[in-house]
Amino acid sequence: SQQGEEDPQALSIQEGENATMNCSYKTSINNLQWYRQNSGRGLVHLILIRSNEREKHSGRLRVTLDTSKKSSSLLITASRAADTASYFCATLNAGGTSYGKLTFGQGTILTVHP
Amino acid sequence: NAGVTQTPKFQVLKTGQSMTLQCAQDMNHNSMYWYRQDPGMGLRLIYYSASEGTTDKGEVPNGYNVSRLNKREFSLRLESAAPSQTSVYFCGTGLYSPLHFGNGTRLTVT
Repeated sequence: SQQGEEDPQALSIQEGENATMNCSYKTSINNLQWYRQNSGRGLVHLILIRSNEREKHSGRLRVTLDTSKKSSSLLITASRAADTASYFCATLNAGGTSYGKLTFGQGTILTVHP
Repeated sequence: NAGVTQTPKFQVLKTGQSMTLQCAQDMNHNSMYWYRQDPGMGLRLIYYSASEGTTDKGEVPNGYNVSRLNKREFSLRLESAAPSQTSVYFCGTGLYSPLHFGNGTRLTVT
């Protein structure tokens, strides 16, 4: 079963606008990660936020985590056409038999129009 | 992606045929993973190997076997391919997380 549910499934914006994607999950986590996938390629890690962190920044990326609501958001500011890709959240479950297992959401397809 | 190499890139099989997907990493990571990606389903874990000599089932292991040949290599075998195994297969590697992925093997079973 999928741990993460992402919203929206698809997002279409103009260059320069901000893009926000949301991820909800079901069980306690060790950390939550966001990945990007360009068409026909593998996933590339963008940013990781630990369960005891609430916000993290990396360049034009801002990630928030609300463990009480079991949700996270990824904000891409001042988007560019090159940001067009699919974005996935993934959770590393807390402890036990879930060691090392990343569970992925279904992804958000982002299209940025020049 | 640098560090994780998957072969082949594309493969077409007939139902009942067998094949092995290969994955090799030069990142000196202990953990290696096989995922499959289907439209609208995200990635689902098939098998993983926390270290050389160990393998464990993931979410969707049925119809697959794996071999952790050494620290660098982790192969995925389909003994008798079925149309339901048509998918894109990704190998990942990591030291805990995050994971680094190969570019995938696109498999079609007719």
